[in-house]
Amino acid sequence: DTAVSQTPKYLVTQMGNDKSIKCEQNLGHDTMYWYKQDSKKFLKIMFSYNNKELIINETVPNRFSPKSPDKAHLNLHINSLELGDSAVYFCASSRTGGFRYTEAFFGQGTRLTVV
Amino acid sequence: QKEVEQNSGPLSVPEGAIASLNCTYSDRVSQSFFWYRQYSGKSPELIMSIYSNGDKEDGRFTAQLNKASQYVSLLIRDSQPSDSATYLCAAYSGGGADGLTFGKGTHLIIQP
Repeated sequence: DTAVSQTPKYLVTQMGNDKSIKCEQNLGHDTMYWYKQDSKKFLKIMFSYNNKELIINETVPNRFSPKSPDKAHLNLHINSLELGDSAVYFCASSRTGGFRYTEAFFGQGTRLTVV
Repeated sequence: QKEVEQNSGPLSVPEGAIASLNCTYSDRVSQSFFWYRQYSGKSPELIMSIYSNGDKEDGRFTAQLNKASQYVSLLIRDSQPSDSATYLCAAYSGGGADGLTFGKGTHLIIQP
């Protein structure tokens, strides 16, 4: 039973299209995240959601919009895709309540390729 | 700006030897630190967390933290070829749900 699952695993699309990535966690965590890993393997946080509220947004273009229908789900919608958006996108979740609970558990990743 | 620095490697270690991975962080208020292992094409997997100065051991892995020097390390004893992966160091310094700041990772190669 996968703890953090995201779909699809691979996504190939043309420039200008709109796409969504879905994420679900069954760990009972309060906080979910989207991270982006570029071609140099640098993993950088994009968003976090805590109890359905956006907590941080790390200077991500507004073409990216996270949506959380409930605390177990965090979807990522991307408008007007650009070549530079090609990367691996990871969903993650963690507990909240102090520094001892911030270890993040990752989904399997979505490799997005924009052509 | 919060930064976590790692030597990108590759770090090549003979099988059976000790692999030593290092990491420094810029934000003095960082409270907790994590080591993740990432195999090529896979997601990061948590292998160690450490919150207090000193050493923390778990099987073949030992994490070391020195907050005065803003330094974190990971030792892997009796290295195995299956330990070959990229190791990501991460730090948490925010309140609430600020997420982790990751280093760029060290590529470790264990030579049989």
